Amino acid sequence: EADIYQTPRYLVIGTGKKITLECSQTMGHDKMYWYQQDPGMELHLIHYSYGVNSTEKGDLSSESTVSRIRTEHFPLTLESARPSHTSQYLCASSPSGSGETQYFGPGTRLLVL
Amino acid sequence: AQSVTQLDSQVPVFEEAPVELRCNYSSSVSVYLFWYVQYPNQGLQLLLKYLSGSTLVKGINGFEAEFNKSQTSFHLRKPSVHISDTAEYFCAVSGNTGFQKLVFGTGTRLLVSP
Repeated sequence: EADIYQTPRYLVIGTGKKITLECSQTMGHDKMYWYQQDPGMELHLIHYSYGVNSTEKGDLSSESTVSRIRTEHFPLTLESARPSHTSQYLCASSPSGSGETQYFGPGTRLLVL
Repeated sequence: AQSVTQLDSQVPVFEEAPVELRCNYSSSVSVYLFWYVQYPNQGLQLLLKYLSGSTLVKGINGFEAEFNKSQTSFHLRKPSVHISDTAEYFCAVSGNTGFQKLVFGTGTRLLVSP
């Protein structure tokens, strides 16, 4: 069983608010990822990290930002939430190496009013 | 770049019947292939993966998949499904070099009824 946690699980917030979605893993994985998933749609990679102090943008353009100050922690921040940011956000991690499995957290469902 | 096509958005099936969920991919390089399952209000869990070697891959919960390079397919099968198999199933592909980002299909909802 993978140990990767996301908080909050559900968030309803007003337009213009700053929010941070938390993601933590206790497996010591170097690689971490953030995906955005809309209902009935595929997952889109929005950010990833090779390790501490490494962050890269993914395939889907996102107004969010991420940081990786500690191996186990990979928070995602939206400076000013908008209704278009309403979605599910999934965090994942994997060991370094070829063909490694990505382990997913339970997700955060965000609703911006 | 890689892409994945899951032809069926929803597959209804009766309990104890066999099921096949279809997945086709495209890639200009050699690939790794994955099937993940997502239960309601949960994250994704790996069912099985193909990296190399035998083209028939066995996974958890009685699922298996076969890699067919000539048809660029990686269909998921189970000989007898249970009600508890009701979930969303995602096929994913990555190249086998570099960062190996996963590219996901749109998912297939498996609905098992009694």
